[in-house]
Amino acid sequence: DGGITQSPKYLFRKEGQNVTLSCEQNLNHDAMYWYRQDPGQGLRLIYYSQIVNDFQKGDIAEGYSVSREKKESFPLTVTSAQKNPTAFYLCASSEREFNTEAFFGQGTRLTVV
Amino acid sequence: AQSVAQPEDQVNVAEGNPLTVKCTYSVSGNPYLFWYVQYPNRGLQFLLKYITGDNLVKGSYGFEAEFNKSQTSFHLKKPSALVSDSALYFCAVRDKGNTGGFKTIFGAGTRLFVKA
Repeated sequence: DGGITQSPKYLFRKEGQNVTLSCEQNLNHDAMYWYRQDPGQGLRLIYYSQIVNDFQKGDIAEGYSVSREKKESFPLTVTSAQKNPTAFYLCASSEREFNTEAFFGQGTRLTVV
Repeated sequence: AQSVAQPEDQVNVAEGNPLTVKCTYSVSGNPYLFWYVQYPNRGLQFLLKYITGDNLVKGSYGFEAEFNKSQTSFHLKKPSALVSDSALYFCAVRDKGNTGGFKTIFGAGTRLFVKA
């Protein structure tokens, strides 16, 4: 089945640690996105990538980093510089055209302990 | 920059009654508008989109949305609500990135409760 796979589903991080969230897609989409979801705030864009080896900052990129070495993969690293990382993280992909919808993974819930 | 607003945090409706979830937009140029649904602890699922053409757009699970240019609205509707429609609904708009490419901007979401 085609789709987007995020792993792990739940992740616990200690203060000061970096953690990496995985996102893999087999939809052959060029564009990929990372969103953060907090209660009552909807989805906020962290980073997005339109093509391999290229990515742009979204609205809340501070404390996060990404790479796009392969078309099907777009991992997100939550660094120790992110002061409030506890949230639900969603990865998505789409065609590059302006009028296309996004397909989402099932999300990773990150908790700082 | 493009934006969407969902004025209601929550909508309550009885099963079998029609439902409306509201969305207004602010765009420069032609709007590309979307509705998504999210069930608990899951990712978002695409419902429907307006690109051009008919103002009434039909989508998945019996949902439809009406594009109104004069009122800058794109309300989601369903003639007869089901308990299983209870979920979080997001309105969204496509926007151009500052350094190229496109991104999707989401509203804050509206929680729909359908009571049996």
